Amino acid sequence: KNQVEQSPQSLIILEGKNCTLQCNYTVSPFSNLRWYKQDTGRGPVSLTIMTFSENTKSNGRYTATLDADTKQSSLHITASQLSDSASYICVVSRRGGADGLTFGKGTHLIIQP
Amino acid sequence: DAEITQSPRHKITETGRQVTLACHQTWNHNNMFWYRQDLGHGLRLIHYSYGVQDTNKGEVSDGYSVSRSNTEDLPLTLESAASSQTSVYFCASRPGTDENEQFFGPGTRLTVL
Repeated sequence: KNQVEQSPQSLIILEGKNCTLQCNYTVSPFSNLRWYKQDTGRGPVSLTIMTFSENTKSNGRYTATLDADTKQSSLHITASQLSDSASYICVVSRRGGADGLTFGKGTHLIIQP
Repeated sequence: DAEITQSPRHKITETGRQVTLACHQTWNHNNMFWYRQDLGHGLRLIHYSYGVQDTNKGEVSDGYSVSRSNTEDLPLTLESAASSQTSVYFCASRPGTDENEQFFGPGTRLTVL
């Protein structure tokens, strides 16, 4: 069964600190992996996309990694800001067939001043 | 600017009533999707469409229907609302294949009493 597991479920850190969110998946065959940010009361917004051949990709203070062999991805947030408080959702796309996105349940991140 | 909108943003209805949630996008994307988001679950696909007159069932389609009469709109209908359909509903659109980002609407919070 295609699954995406995220950890931790929730995380509280102080403003200015770094954190890393994890995503493990069993989706096969793999096409790509996206990290979405979802602010409270809003729809998810894509932060970054990782394809099979990519190991690391940065978007400002966000850095995503992908290990396609172990089927793991991480999202590292550097120098956190209060605006980083949100849910972060890992979404894996399956190659071929009907529309095949599998969503993780998300990590709820709270940045405290 | 191009955008995707949903209406209403909040809806309270009674069990057994028919409810229609609207989704409108101005990007001219062929692909449109409806998801529901519940605590403890990731986003789950209800229905999707790859173009005018095309509709497909997703993972949790029972009790829901969609129609696609033009490129811009994909209304979601709950034929006979049930309390289990209390949820936040997100519409999304995407150009081309799944390598491209899905753009999500702001969501509709539906409560079925």
